[in-house]
Amino acid sequence: KQEVTQIPAALSVPEGENLVLNCSFTDSAIYNLQWFRQDPGKGLTSLLLIQSSQREQTSGRLNASLDKSSGRSTLYIAASQPGDSATYLCAVHYGQNFVFGPGTRLSVLP
Amino acid sequence: EAGVAQSPRYKIIEKRQSVAFWCNPISGHATLYWYQQILGQGPKLLIQFQNNGVVDDSQLPKDRFSAERLKGVDSTLKIQPAKLEDSAVYLCASSARLAGPTYEQYFGPGTRLTVT
Repeated sequence: KQEVTQIPAALSVPEGENLVLNCSFTDSAIYNLQWFRQDPGKGLTSLLLIQSSQREQTSGRLNASLDKSSGRSTLYIAASQPGDSATYLCAVHYGQNFVFGPGTRLSVLP
Repeated sequence: EAGVAQSPRYKIIEKRQSVAFWCNPISGHATLYWYQQILGQGPKLLIQFQNNGVVDDSQLPKDRFSAERLKGVDSTLKIQPAKLEDSAVYLCASSARLAGPTYEQYFGPGTRLTVT
């Protein structure tokens, strides 16, 4: 069964800290992995997409890495800001099927 | 480029009533997904369409849920009759093929359903 887990479930940090969110998946035969952000009451916004042949992707203060062999991806957020407060979800792409993790709820305190 | 549109944004119904949700994907996206997201959990796939054909509906409770995508564009998801446990956010997404087997998903704002 293809399962995706995310650790931690929730995280609270002071503004300015660097932080790492973790995503683990059981089936390493992935096509790609996508990180999303979800604000309360809103849909999902795509942050980064890493293809299975890639090791990492960067966008501004965000860096996502992928290690297929160990079934892990990390999302690194540099110099966190209160506006980064949201739930972060990873989705693993198998064929045309996307399997989502439960998310990490991030609070960045001013 | 217009995003994925969904309506209504919010719906409150009593149990045993019926409800329908509408989704208009991004123009040109052949694949459309309906997800159910219960509070505190990640989205769970209900049904996936490729054009107007069903690719995966293995997690759709077919005794009460139905979905269609006529003409391969807009889609509707219906629940009849609703149960208390159907209270959730219903998300619609469409995907574009970037290269080879790589698809990127785009989500609508969701419909928050409350069943009382």
